[in-house]
Amino acid sequence: DAGVIQSPRHEVTEMGQEVTLRCKPISGHNSLFWYRQTMMRGLELLIYFNNNVPIDDSGMPEDRFSAKMPNASFSTLKIQPSEPRDSAVYFCASSPNHGAETQYFGPGTRLLVL
Amino acid sequence: QQPVQSPQAVILREGEDAVINCSSSKALYSVHWYRQKHGEAPVFLMILLKGGEQKGHEKISASFNEKKQQSSLYLTASQLSYSGTYFCGTERLAGAGSYQLTFGKGTKLSVIP
Repeated sequence: DAGVIQSPRHEVTEMGQEVTLRCKPISGHNSLFWYRQTMMRGLELLIYFNNNVPIDDSGMPEDRFSAKMPNASFSTLKIQPSEPRDSAVYFCASSPNHGAETQYFGPGTRLLVL
Repeated sequence: QQPVQSPQAVILREGEDAVINCSSSKALYSVHWYRQKHGEAPVFLMILLKGGEQKGHEKISASFNEKKQQSSLYLTASQLSYSGTYFCGTERLAGAGSYQLTFGKGTKLSVIP
């Protein structure tokens, strides 16, 4: 299996621009997670889906962030408008199901907002 | 609520042992341990589900004290490949069929020759 696939791997954008991060989970996995990692805050869960339905979005920082999972093999995380404080590494992870299951992380997208 | 990990950083010589602790103020459903090498994604080590459960993975093992809401990761006879940042993730049942996994800030482990 190819593992979790994320694109782009690196993104540099200017403040105010829209950013869309993409994720393809491992085939057959029912749960998908979006994380943000910074030096200051560590690894934070933003939102997770189970069977394409958002289950917990309490970690989404504000209305500028939105996530969708239109089908079992694709998810997006959008930031609009982007701000310099959004600079971070964004990881997508998938697991067979939610609750005490191994999460398989993608390689991450390194986002820099100037 | 974010679990507290200790120590924040540790330096070992090859062959030495280390213990990394993780504690939570909330009742836990499970504890996850991950390792992340610089510039890479976190990689799963193990999950502990039941109180008192101990699991092993080569020379890396962990315990989970459900009553104290604590977990410890034990690294025995450390190897250079053990270097990285170790994260514990504490998982709670958050209601309405959802699970909330929160990661600690990590423990940076450096193994030197």
